[in-house]
Amino acid sequence: DSGVTQTPKHLITATGQRVTLRCSPRSGDLSVYWYQQSLDQGLQFLIQYYNGEERAKGNILERFSAQQFPDLHSELNLSSLELGDSALYFCASSVVLGGEQYFGPGTRLTVT
Amino acid sequence: QQQVKQSPQSLIVQKGGISIINCAYENTAFDYFPWYQQFPGKGPALLIAIRPDVSEKKEGRFTISFNKSAKQFSLHIMDSQPGDSATYFCAASGGSQGNLIFGKGTKLSVKP
Repeated sequence: DSGVTQTPKHLITATGQRVTLRCSPRSGDLSVYWYQQSLDQGLQFLIQYYNGEERAKGNILERFSAQQFPDLHSELNLSSLELGDSALYFCASSVVLGGEQYFGPGTRLTVT
Repeated sequence: QQQVKQSPQSLIVQKGGISIINCAYENTAFDYFPWYQQFPGKGPALLIAIRPDVSEKKEGRFTISFNKSAKQFSLHIMDSQPGDSATYFCAASGGSQGNLIFGKGTKLSVKP
């Protein structure tokens, strides 16, 4: 158990809908990263927050957004969902920027 | 320049044998190279990591070898066990943000 928690574990929704994925980092970790894992693209970095501020963006679609709250938990919002958004979404956390990252168990999103 | 190339895609090893997975990178700004182990339905788990100031790091049966001039690094699993059967990902990051660039993964199967 990495200490990073993610909810929900599974999510099934229809095209065009909007969903919110939640992540709680390890106690004491200030940095949160979101990654997407799919069969064709592998593990890809989406976005990073540090102590409430956005610090880096990767291959994140404009339909996706995220935020980190004062209690350091983070939410990833996915809107106007398409079939191709079906994937595993992982959150990772680290104590400092550039430090060791510990991954949560992921949220499996299925868009039908 | 952001790619990390991993090989082989899959690997079958007999119990007690040595498993070797290789990765290559192009971006000389990368300064942190972790390996992750992922079991089906689970999040990636940090296995071992190295920084370019050393050429080798060993933790138990797992060793990272790092060749800075060749821009290559590898994971060696000594005395491989069936419980090591999983997918292994190499990754790299550089700079202060720390977001990881992942290889495509190697599916390791250790036969009893």
